[in-house]
Amino acid sequence: GAGVSQSPSNKVTEKGKDVELRCDPISGHTALYWYRQRLGQGLEFLIYFQGNSAPDKSGLPSDRFSAERTGESVSTLTIQRTQQEDSAVYLCASSQSPGLSYNEQFFGPGTRLTVL
Amino acid sequence: AQSVTQLDSQVPVFEEAPVELRCNYSSSVSVYLFWYVQYPNQGLQLLLKYLSGSTLVKGINGFEAEFNKSQTSFHLRKPSVHISDTAEYFCAVSGEGQNFVFGPGTRLSVLP
Repeated sequence: GAGVSQSPSNKVTEKGKDVELRCDPISGHTALYWYRQRLGQGLEFLIYFQGNSAPDKSGLPSDRFSAERTGESVSTLTIQRTQQEDSAVYLCASSQSPGLSYNEQFFGPGTRLTVL
Repeated sequence: AQSVTQLDSQVPVFEEAPVELRCNYSSSVSVYLFWYVQYPNQGLQLLLKYLSGSTLVKGINGFEAEFNKSQTSFHLRKPSVHISDTAEYFCAVSGEGQNFVFGPGTRLSVLP
C-alpha cells in the first residue's frame, strides 16, 4: 500500500471489554512496531516484530496486552479487560527489511482508544 | 540502555524567528539519531536522521540538526519558522541491535 494504515481510527469502549486494533504495514516492510502515546506524552514502545523472529515483547505493560502478526503483513494488538488507563493513541510503524536500526520508521495515523 | 531527553516540553516562538529544539541522549553503543515531527491529528514523519559522516544534517522543511558526540546532543534548528511548523517534535535514538527510543517530545507553537 501507499503507507501504513490502521483501523479503526477511533474506538470507544467500556471498561472491562476487549479491543482489537489493526495495522497494515507498507508492503515489503519486515519490521513492525507498536507504540502507545498517552495524551501529551511521548511514545512508549510496546512490541516489535522482525520477520519470522520471535517478537520483542519487552514493552508490553501487562499480560492484558498481546499482539500477533501474520507473516510479514497485518498485525493486531489486543487489549483484554480494558482499563481507563489504557486510553491513548496506539501507533503502528513499519520499516524496510531487514529492519536494521538505522532504517526510518514509517508511521500510521494511529488508533485513538477511549475507555469509559 | 539508551535514553533520550528533551528538556523543553513546550517552545513558543514568533513567526520568522529562529528556533532550537534540544535533544540529549545517552547510549553505550554508537548511535543513530532521528527527529520526527507530528502535525496535529496526524502520524509521525521523519524530518532528518544522522547515521554517520557529516555532523550537520539537513532535513525537510528547512530544518537541520547537529550531532555533537562530546555533548551527546542532537539539537534541531530552523533559522526562520512558519505557522505551519506548529507541531510536536520527537527526538529518537537507536543503535546496532538496539530498538528505537523516543524522547517525550517538544511542542512547538509558532505565533503570528
